[in-house]
Amino acid sequence: QKEVEQNSGPLSVPEGAIASLNCTYSDRGSQSFFWYRQYSGKSPELIMFIYSNGDKEDGRFTAQLNKASQYVSLLIRDSQPSDSATYLCAVRIGGGSNYKLTFGKGTLLTVNP
Amino acid sequence: DGGITQSPKYLFRKEGQNVTLSCEQNLNHDAMYWYRQDPGQGLRLIYYSQIVNDFQKGDIAEGYSVSREKKESFPLTVTSAQKNPTAFYLCASSVVDRTTTLYSYNEQFFGPGTRLTVL
Repeated sequence: QKEVEQNSGPLSVPEGAIASLNCTYSDRGSQSFFWYRQYSGKSPELIMFIYSNGDKEDGRFTAQLNKASQYVSLLIRDSQPSDSATYLCAVRIGGGSNYKLTFGKGTLLTVNP
Repeated sequence: DGGITQSPKYLFRKEGQNVTLSCEQNLNHDAMYWYRQDPGQGLRLIYYSQIVNDFQKGDIAEGYSVSREKKESFPLTVTSAQKNPTAFYLCASSVVDRTTTLYSYNEQFFGPGTRLTVL
């Protein structure tokens, strides 16, 4: 069974700190990895996409991928109260015409002022 | 404005009723998806469609039905056979790049969701 695992949290960090969110996946055929942010009662929005091993930075966000360890993470630097949300890890398994994503259950992040 | 619309925002269903959730997109996306989200849970795929007049079951299709008669529309019917339908339903769409390599970027754009409650 293809699984995507995340710590459900809540993860609580002070304003200005680095928040580290982790995700592991079971299928070695996984090719593309997405981080979505979901505010309470709202729909998810994409914040990062990564497919190569290593780091990918976009503003305050850094995605890290290690395919050998089947691990993807999201770092949020200088965390702000507006970053408080649930962060969903999603994995695209396979390629070609397969466009399905498998989502983890999400990690609730709270940034305290 | 381009985007995905879902209606209604809130829906109440009585036991034994079928209800239909609407999803419309004007992004010219070929692929559309329906997900269900329960409190504290991630998104679970119900049905998806990559082309008009074709769709596939996702992980939890039992008790649901869909149609894809137009590219812009992908309605979801929650039938009386779905025993626990109370949830947040999300529709999404994405491009289908048929020239893509293995590492394609296919962001799924989500609608605002419909919250269904069984009375």
